[in-house]
Amino acid sequence: DTGVSQDPRHKITKRGQNVTFRCDPISEHNRLYWYRQTLGQGPEFLTYFQNEAQLEKSRLLSDRFSAERPKGSFSTLEIQRTEQGDSAMYLCASSPISPQGTGELFFGEGSRLTVL
Amino acid sequence: GDSVTQMEGPVTLSEEAFLTINCTYTATGYPSLFWYVQYPGEGLQLLLKATKADDKGSNKGFEATYRKETTSFHLEKGSVQVSDSAVYFCALSESGKLVFGAGTILRVKS
Repeated sequence: DTGVSQDPRHKITKRGQNVTFRCDPISEHNRLYWYRQTLGQGPEFLTYFQNEAQLEKSRLLSDRFSAERPKGSFSTLEIQRTEQGDSAMYLCASSPISPQGTGELFFGEGSRLTVL
Repeated sequence: GDSVTQMEGPVTLSEEAFLTINCTYTATGYPSLFWYVQYPGEGLQLLLKATKADDKGSNKGFEATYRKETTSFHLEKGSVQVSDSAVYFCALSESGKLVFGAGTILRVKS
């Protein structure tokens, strides 16, 4: 049973560098989500895809952040010119399309970013 | 936009104590409601959910009832165990995504 997997699990980088995270969702899931979580806070929505289409992007998301899901399978989240405020856990989740609307999201274990 | 407010923690209980974690929400429509749990060193996982008013979600001895009149979805368990120590997140569905509360840390002492 393969769940949502994320890579790398930890990334330490210097301010100004670019970083990229990868997410492999559960194979039959159409939707893929990216969230960010900082200490003591709940996950904050960043963006989500249905198949390869990016359907929504948070207005709080800086232009330095970009996400792709080129073939409707895995996704990448890139952060350009990292800042210390980008330090957080980046969570990926996937779900099937639910006829009733939003259902359960299946989360990966996250990619922790530390910007020095 | 829609939002979720949950009681601040940490909540510290002795084993076999009764647990309540309060959660209220603000929403323009009729969202589905969820409780997720994050055990130490693990990813978020769904604990229970309710999709319409008066529904009760339950799992692993935990339960929560969708109360539209009070816009609440409080989490309860009659007798907690040390293994229930975790962070609990209340969430609602909005336009294809989930909106989470800030989380409540639960610590259970033996």
